[in-house]
Amino acid sequence: GAVVSQHPSWVICKSGTSVKIECRSLDFQATTMFWYRQFPKQSLMLMATSNEGSKATYEQGVEKDKFLINHASLTLSTLTVTSAHPEDSSFYICSASPTGRLAKNIQYFGAGTRLSVL
Amino acid sequence: GQSLEQPSEVTAVEGAIVQINCTYQTSGFYGLSWYQQHDGGAPTFLSYNALDGLEETGRFSSFLSRSDSYGYLLLQELQMKDSASYFCAVRASGGYQKVTFGTGTKLQVIP
Repeated sequence: GAVVSQHPSWVICKSGTSVKIECRSLDFQATTMFWYRQFPKQSLMLMATSNEGSKATYEQGVEKDKFLINHASLTLSTLTVTSAHPEDSSFYICSASPTGRLAKNIQYFGAGTRLSVL
Repeated sequence: GQSLEQPSEVTAVEGAIVQINCTYQTSGFYGLSWYQQHDGGAPTFLSYNALDGLEETGRFSSFLSRSDSYGYLLLQELQMKDSASYFCAVRASGGYQKVTFGTGTKLQVIP
């Protein structure tokens, strides 16, 4: 159990376009999901906490208007990179946790989305 | 805020034992966990310590000393497939459920 699905796994887009990434909890409900960004050979940097039915909580330095997060249901959160530029190229990963497991720092991660902006 | 420090790289021989250390500074502490990430893949949960001492899960063990703000992951009977990056992580205080990850340790297992 506790499977998190993330799509697409790889996306290439032109500079100035927007890209939407979906994160779904397949066999559990997730009132909270997390979006991370990871550069090559570096750690996972939390971008924002996605809250079902309310606004996301963004980390310091993350542009809210650039990285739009929507958590419209208990199983789906989306991250939209608006007006993407080459510097937005990165590996984006979402995570979620069933109730109770989050207390043990147990998060289940999607497979990640590699974004390349040309 | 939170900060977690790990060695950047470790190399060990197949069949051997390796220890990956993690020192942390946090405002509030809700336990230390460990994740494994293979190149190009997603992190997977390995272990969790809320109290001092050693937790064993098969070939992997994790240790915590809250008084020293220190923990380690111990990998025994190393296999080639253990070559990956390993991250320690802590959960933030203040009501948020978010997890902060360490700098990561790249483990290379050699024949």
